[in-house]
This record gives sequence, structure tokens and C-alpha cells, in this order.
Amino acid sequence: ETGVTQSPTHLIKTRGQQVTLRCSSQSGHNTVSWYQQALGQGPQFIFQYYREEENGRGNFPPRFSGLQFPNYSSELNVNALELDDSALYLCASSLEGNYGYTFGSGTRLTVV
Amino acid sequence: DAKTTQPPSMDCAEGRAANLPCNHSTISGNEYVYWYRQIHSQGPQYIIHGLKNNETNEMASLIITEDRKSSTLILPHATLRDTAVYYCIVRVGSGYSTLTFGKGTMLLVSP
Repeated sequence: ETGVTQSPTHLIKTRGQQVTLRCSSQSGHNTVSWYQQALGQGPQFIFQYYREEENGRGNFPPRFSGLQFPNYSSELNVNALELDDSALYLCASSLEGNYGYTFGSGTRLTVV
Repeated sequence: DAKTTQPPSMDCAEGRAANLPCNHSTISGNEYVYWYRQIHSQGPQYIIHGLKNNETNEMASLIITEDRKSSTLILPHATLRDTAVYYCIVRVGSGYSTLTFGKGTMLLVSP
């Protein structure tokens, strides 16, 4: 059983650019959530996808968008990057949103 | 989801039991108590969850008070590798219900 894998592990972007982060969910999981974790803070919920449909969204602007594919892998896209977008981005998967979510190790995004 | 309150930090000697408290006085009847931990530079790791009965697994024990307004996570024999931030979260058990993380408790296990 493979866990959640995220790519890339680290990324540096310039303010105003766009970025795509990728996540492969754990085998058998059909629900994927994305979180943003700023330094010293707990993870903050961005959005969740269930069977390719967004079924929940946190307090993030529309320039944060996502996709879930038929194999349940997922992408997080961020347009018009701002300095405050610098954070650890975490992907988590589960089966039907039940019980324990499995998290990936995250992508560290730095916006300069 | 209900809010939780945890102490910002705790210390524990290696080999001793670590008891991490959490208050969740506004928990609803259908909300579970979940515990996750996050070791530095890694993603959060699921530890245990429960509704109203005490639970135990290979990692930890979860003690929930009878009124469900508070709980304690117990690591019976803490090791240095248990040094991490521990998050107590309450949420419904399935479907669309996100994990709302607070700042958690930084547990430092010392030799």
C-alpha cells in the first residue's frame, strides 16, 4: 500500500507567476484535500475533492483552484502568486472522507 | 466543527508516559475526537480517534471524559521520536467535514 506522494518537494517562484502542485493519493482513496501551512501555524484547509468534484472549500481566494483526476490524483493551482503564499502545501487523502486522512510530506513553496 | 483548546507546549522524559490534554466543551453528539501529530518538516500523521469510549491502538490511548467535553491522549512510553506537534481535532466521522487544525501542543521528549 503506497502512501500519499507530492511533487515537487521544494519550489521557488516569483511574485505574479503561476504554480501547479501535484498529489497522488493513497491506493483506494477517493477523497483528496489540500492544506496550506504557514510557518509556526497549523494547516489551513483550502479545498477538498470527492470523485472529481469539489465538495468543500476554505477561506481562500479563487486564484487557488484544483482538479481531481479519474485515478483520484489531484492538482493544486495557484495563480498570481503573492509573497504570503509562501508555505508548506499539504495533500491528504481518505476513503469517502472517513476517519483518518493520510497526509503527504508536502511541497515547500517559496515566493520571492 | 467544534473548537479545541490545547496547551502550547509540554515536556516529557524519555520512557515516561506523556499525557496531552484537550478541551472541546462545545463538541456535538455526532463529532469524533481525532488526534494527529506532525514531526518537523513532515505531513501530519493520524494517531487515533474516538466518539465516547476510550480507545487504544499500537501508538496511543485516547481517554474521553463521560461528558465528552475533554480528552487526553496518552503515549505510554514516550521516545525521542515522539517529539512533535500534537493536534486535537473534532469533526463528524464521514462525508464532507474538514480537519480544522489549531496550533496544537508541542511535545518535547528529553533524554
